[in-house]
Amino acid sequence: RKEVEQDPGPFNVPEGATVAFNCTYSNSASQSFFWYRQDCRKEPKLLMSVYSSGNEDGRFTAQLNRASQYISLLIRDSKLSDSATYLCVAGGASGTYKYIFGTGTRLKVLA
Amino acid sequence: NAGVTQTPKFRVLKTGQSMTLLCAQDMNHEYMYWYRQDPGMGLRLIHYSVGEGTTAKGEVPDGYNVSRLKKQNFLLGLESAAPSQTSVYFCASSSRESGANVLTFGAGSRLTVL
Repeated sequence: RKEVEQDPGPFNVPEGATVAFNCTYSNSASQSFFWYRQDCRKEPKLLMSVYSSGNEDGRFTAQLNRASQYISLLIRDSKLSDSATYLCVAGGASGTYKYIFGTGTRLKVLA
Repeated sequence: NAGVTQTPKFRVLKTGQSMTLLCAQDMNHEYMYWYRQDPGMGLRLIHYSVGEGTTAKGEVPDGYNVSRLKKQNFLLGLESAAPSQTSVYFCASSSRESGANVLTFGAGSRLTVL
């Protein structure tokens, strides 16, 4: 079982829709959490860090539930340009600086 | 500012050959990582380093060796390449000062082992 798990999708949604992704992590000692975005055949790029209190960046909202060990990403008012793979990351347990990625969730926003 | 640079970008090897992938970063980052990405598997951590002269194993270290002789460089070696090592390899680095330890990635190295 992978340490960080995500639904691989694909999620096909119409423009303007709201879509949510969930991710679970098994190492309860994980300290840092992120969402990365990866476009086809490109390197992953940071979308946003995830904080315990939850955080928002424009149309994107990230939540962390430590008790249930899951992370979520909500995208509102989806744009065609949001089509990509979204990668969940957890790590930093016990000061190891070891970061584990989930398998990624594919999103396709349809016109 | 180049960020993280990986060389080579593409390579084709025959089974049993050896090669080294080079990762160089010019951001004075303390931490460096090697990941591989395969279809349906996401990114899997091979090895990582928290400083010059130190390395540690990740999720899938077998068949690979690494060295961090200089702070700016992190080398990934394949001593005897196997077809199962056909993959896209990504290097990343991060800084202790960034707080949340955000990873900056190189553009990737696509390796095919025949």
